[in-house]
Formats: sequence, C-alpha cells, structure tokens
Amino acid sequence: SQTIHQWPATLVQPVGSPLSLECTVEGTSNPNLYWYRQAAGRGLQLLFYSVGIGQISSEVPQNLSASRPQDRQFILSSKKLLLSDSGFYLCAWSAEAGNTIYFGEGSWLTVV
Amino acid sequence: GQNIDQPTEMTATEGAIVQINCTYQTSGFNGLFWYQQHAGEAPTFLSYNVLDGLEEKGRFSSFLSRSKGYSYLLLKELQMKDSASYLCAVRVMTTDSWGKLQFGAGTQVVVTP
Repeated sequence: SQTIHQWPATLVQPVGSPLSLECTVEGTSNPNLYWYRQAAGRGLQLLFYSVGIGQISSEVPQNLSASRPQDRQFILSSKKLLLSDSGFYLCAWSAEAGNTIYFGEGSWLTVV
Repeated sequence: GQNIDQPTEMTATEGAIVQINCTYQTSGFNGLFWYQQHAGEAPTFLSYNVLDGLEEKGRFSSFLSRSKGYSYLLLKELQMKDSASYLCAVRVMTTDSWGKLQFGAGTQVVVTP
C-alpha cells in the first residue's frame, strides 16, 4: 500500500531564517506531488505541484520554492521566512492516472 | 480561475442529518471531491464525483450536478465524531497533469448531543 510522510511535524522558526520541509511517498512510482498551505481558519491553498523529477509548477508567487530531486521526494524551502509564512503545510500525492489526492500528516510552522 | 463556495458553519444534533452544499465556477472541471478534516489534522478523503448523480458510502453520500455547478455532501445518523470541517474540492485539468485540486474554505460541522 502507498504511504506518505512529511517532516518535521512542528517547528518554530525566527523571521529571516531558512526553511526545509521534506515529504516522501512509498509504494508507488511517478506520483503527482503537491504542497498546500492552510493558514489559521482558512482553506487550503495550492503552492506547488510536480508531475515528475525536476518538474515544478508554482501556483502563487512568494518567497517559497519547491524541488523534486527524486521520484518520490518533494521538498519545500525558503531562504528567508516571513511572519506570513506561518501555517499548516501539507504534502499530498496522487497516482499519475488516478483520481484521489492523499495527504501527509502535515507540518505546523510558526514564524516568530 | 475557480470560485468554490460552501457555508462557513452548520450545527446539527446527534442522530440527525446534515446536508452541506457546495457551488463552483471553474474551467477544466474534472471531478469534485469531499474531504473531512478534524482540528489540527490533515484532510482525509471521503468521496469523489465526476458524473452527475448520487454516490453513497455508508452514512455519507455525495451528489453532483455538473450543469448547475453544484454538489452536496449528506451526513446521516450524525455522531459526535463527525464534528469536523468538510472541504469541497474541485479537480481541474492542466496541460501537464491529470489535475490539481482547488479547495473551498470548508464547512465546520458542529454536532451537539
């Protein structure tokens, strides 16, 4: 069966510090991968999606970036965090020819 | 772009039925999903509709009318554990992917004893 994991689960970072969130998927090949953000009391916002290694599409201009160095690895990064980057970050995957998107456990980021 | 609307909050009594409506305006429609999200947790998949009609899965049912841009999620025999946010999501086709989900803001369902 397929599983998705992301880490760290929670982190508190000062403004201006870098960020790296990592996500891996097991049990499938060539998945579509996604990063979403959910600000407090708000809906899920799609940040990036990837259909293959090195292929990243950005949905929202911001100081975040994403990379996909391996087929089942997706990384969300920032060189300098802003207060507005605080939120609940969710990695997700779907099968290349599938219908449903499945989410990882989520990472709580608080920028102070 | 996509515009997805659902009520902010609904309250219902344990054992009752609640219907959560979702309307959308989108291009490249390729299906509608419902997810459940408990506070502080990731969303979990509930149902998927791509054709018009009703899909039933136990206590949960979902309906879609593509011509009206309308869907609803029906929760029957409500239990306290059903208190959660319910997210309506529209899948849209892109040129390089099967599709990506755009989410509504969610409907917070509060189940009271």
